[in-house]
Amino acid sequence: QKEVEQNSGPLSVPEGAIASLNCTYSDRGSQSFFWYRQYSGKSPELIMFIYSNGDKEDGRFTAQLNKASQYVSLLIRDSQPSDSATYLCAVKGRGYSTLTFGKGTMLLVSP
Amino acid sequence: NAGVTQTPKFRILKIGQSMTLQCTQDMNHNYMYWYRQDPGMGLKLIYYSVGAGITDKGEVPNGYNVSRSTTEDFPLRLELAAPSQTSVYFCASSSPSSQALSGNTIYFGEGSWLTVV
Repeated sequence: QKEVEQNSGPLSVPEGAIASLNCTYSDRGSQSFFWYRQYSGKSPELIMFIYSNGDKEDGRFTAQLNKASQYVSLLIRDSQPSDSATYLCAVKGRGYSTLTFGKGTMLLVSP
Repeated sequence: NAGVTQTPKFRILKIGQSMTLQCTQDMNHNYMYWYRQDPGMGLKLIYYSVGAGITDKGEVPNGYNVSRSTTEDFPLRLELAAPSQTSVYFCASSSPSSQALSGNTIYFGEGSWLTVV
């Protein structure tokens, strides 16, 4: 049973701070890792994906992957109230396989 | 720019009734999925399809059926609705990239809110 674990939160940060969201996964053979943002009452939307160890940056977002520790994180710099949402971590295994989602972490950014 | 379209958006069913959630995509994606999401929970895969005529069970298939007669359409059938099927249902689609590791980005429909009473 593949598992993806996230702290449910809420994670509260002030506007302008760095928000750090974490995710661990059980399947050591996992190859691709995705972060989705989901606003309340809306569908998930992809923020970024990563598949190599290290950091990947896209604007204010940085994904970090450590396969040895089976750990992936998302950093949001200069957090804005509009970043308040639930962030879902998703993991994909070898070859063709479906995504396994974590339960999500709720982020609250206060003005 | 339709993407993935689901209908209906909201529905109330009585226990034992049946219904079909419709899903269509206009991106010519081979892969389609049905997920359910319960409050405070992540997305659970119900069924998926890798192409027309091919379907497979996901993590929570009991009480549901699907068909994939065309690339565009992937309806989800609920037979004998039960209160445990009260949830938000998301249809999604993807197309594997030639770069296998980075591809398979999933695009979601807007969701269907189903209540069984």
